[in-house]
Amino acid sequence: GAVVSQHPSWVICKSGTSVKIECRSLDFQATTMFWYRQFPKQSLMLMATSNEGSKATYEQGVEKDKFLINHASLTLSTLTVTSAHPEDSSFYICSALGQGTDNYGYTFGSGTRLTVV
Amino acid sequence: GNSVTQMEGPVTLSEEAFLTINCTYTATGYPSLFWYVQYPGEGLQLLLKATKADDKGSNKGFEATYRKETTSFHLEKGSVQVSDSAVYFCALSPAFSGGYNKLIFGAGTRLAVHP
Repeated sequence: GAVVSQHPSWVICKSGTSVKIECRSLDFQATTMFWYRQFPKQSLMLMATSNEGSKATYEQGVEKDKFLINHASLTLSTLTVTSAHPEDSSFYICSALGQGTDNYGYTFGSGTRLTVV
Repeated sequence: GNSVTQMEGPVTLSEEAFLTINCTYTATGYPSLFWYVQYPGEGLQLLLKATKADDKGSNKGFEATYRKETTSFHLEKGSVQVSDSAVYFCALSPAFSGGYNKLIFGAGTRLAVHP
């Protein structure tokens, strides 16, 4: 079946540095990528949606200059947390929608746990 | 606005027990409803879905019925196994999502099944 590889699975970084998270669709072309964030014991919150070759659409309250999303190819999307701060510590998950799939056929990555110290 | 509320966990059961995980939603119109499961160390996987009122989604012994009158989509399984231990997420896709099917999730319910 469809697989999305998300890396790294966990990362610790110093405050003020930037962190890049990658999601790759391994056996299908991801026309749309969704990026979510999850705080402990809370819902997955949609941060942004990106279509290949277009600028990402951010949800209300999400800083687009802080969370940079690139979806330059049909198999790779990246989320860069710039100038990270401890409040950015969270669990980040990507989800891909592929060409020709049922619109409900999301494939999720396994998530990245970011800790900013 | 659109939201999903599901029962807090963890839910701890013995093998072969009956499982219910409650899920209620708030939405405009007729959203589509989903249950996703996340096994340890893995991504979320679609477990079942229902796209209109009174539909029943089912998969791997799990069932959930779309109840418009009670705005609910409770997950049930008659006899759980240790291998069902995971986190379960209820989710909805709004009736009108601006051209794409974004998902709105509940907080997730952790299920632990003991032998």
